[in-house]
Amino acid sequence: DSGVTQTPKHLITATGQRVTLRCSPRSGDLSVYWYQQSLDQGLQFLIQYYNGEERAKGNILERFSAQQFPDLHSELNLSSLELGDSALYFCASSARTGASLETQYFGPGTRLLVL
Amino acid sequence: KNQVEQSPQSLIILEGKNCTLQCNYTVSPFSNLRWYKQDTGRGPVSLTIMTFSENTKSNGRYTATLDADTKQSSLHITASQLSDSASYICVVSSGNNRLAFGKGNQVVVIP
Repeated sequence: DSGVTQTPKHLITATGQRVTLRCSPRSGDLSVYWYQQSLDQGLQFLIQYYNGEERAKGNILERFSAQQFPDLHSELNLSSLELGDSALYFCASSARTGASLETQYFGPGTRLLVL
Repeated sequence: KNQVEQSPQSLIILEGKNCTLQCNYTVSPFSNLRWYKQDTGRGPVSLTIMTFSENTKSNGRYTATLDADTKQSSLHITASQLSDSASYICVVSSGNNRLAFGKGNQVVVIP
């Protein structure tokens, strides 16, 4: 158990809908990262937050947004969902900014299926 | 073209045998290289992290090597166990949290 929790574990929804994925980092970790993993693309970095502020952006679509709250939990919002958004969404956390050699601890993931 | 290429894509090995996974990258500038192990349906777990100046790093039966000149890394698994069956992902950082991911080496260990 990494100490990172994600809810829900599974999510089934329809195209065009909007969903929110939630992540609670390890106790004391200030950085939260979001990743998408699909069968054909592998792991892709979406976005990082550090202590409530956006720190780095990866391949995140404009239909997707995220935020980190004062209690350091984070939410990833996916809107206007398309079939291709079906994937595993992972959250990871690290103690500081992640710019050093910090280990990122991954949560168990949320499996999203868009029908 | 993917900036991180891993080979072989998949392999099957007998329990107790050794194997080596390869990671070639074109990422520049280079900050660090990480190997993760991902069990099916679970989040990746960090195995090793190496910087430019490190040639080798071990974590139990896992040994990673890095040649920053040729931009190659390998992950060697010694005396494989059934629990080593997983995907092994190579991740290269270019600093500023810019990460490039390989698609993984799928390893299956059979008794």
